[in-house]
Amino acid sequence: GAGVSQSPRYKVAKRGQDVALRCDPISGHVSLFWYQQALGQGPEFLTYFQNEAQLDKSGLPSDRFFAERPEGSVSTLKIQRTQQEDSAVYLCASSRGLETYNEQFFGPGTRLTVL
Amino acid sequence: DAKTTQPNSMESNEEEPVHLPCNHSTISGTDYIHWYRQLPSQGPEYVIHGLTSNVNNRMASLAIAEDRKSSTLILHRATLRDAAVYYCILRHGETLGAGSYQLTFGKGTKLSVIP
Repeated sequence: GAGVSQSPRYKVAKRGQDVALRCDPISGHVSLFWYQQALGQGPEFLTYFQNEAQLDKSGLPSDRFFAERPEGSVSTLKIQRTQQEDSAVYLCASSRGLETYNEQFFGPGTRLTVL
Repeated sequence: DAKTTQPNSMESNEEEPVHLPCNHSTISGTDYIHWYRQLPSQGPEYVIHGLTSNVNNRMASLAIAEDRKSSTLILHRATLRDAAVYYCILRHGETLGAGSYQLTFGKGTKLSVIP
């Protein structure tokens, strides 16, 4: 079946612009995670959802970042007034549930470059 | 969260076995050992996980030390497609509330496969 998809795959923004990154999880997966990966580093947690509820947003780096999943399926990560330090790959992952035995399935990521 | 320590990089010849080590000396009794890998320009993908006993699947084997303070991911015959960054991750086996469900990545081990 289809995996996790993300769009756009690449985004170039001028400093100060707002951007919206979309994630389509695997159908039926109730848990959805966002990670940020800087060049040469491992992914770092941003936030996660269980259905439409955002249960943890402790990893969001500033109040310019927010995420939503209004119908418990597609999720959008929005970054307002982008800064150069926001340049990174943004990864979305979904899983059947939050239990430890559930593997997370990752999308290909969106590479954001802020000029 | 308990930390893991991995070598920054390793090399292997194609079609030879590869042993990727991971140290986790502060592991707790309920921590599961998970391995993910990330191929170039892709999101991470699940490889294998275990608690105490050695585990095998179609991708790899996981050997866990008796004291659980270290583990080894074994690729039985490395192929060029196995060139990736391999991450060893500990996950709590019980529900501990918010903050327990995301994956905490380190820098991983970059595996190069030589033809």
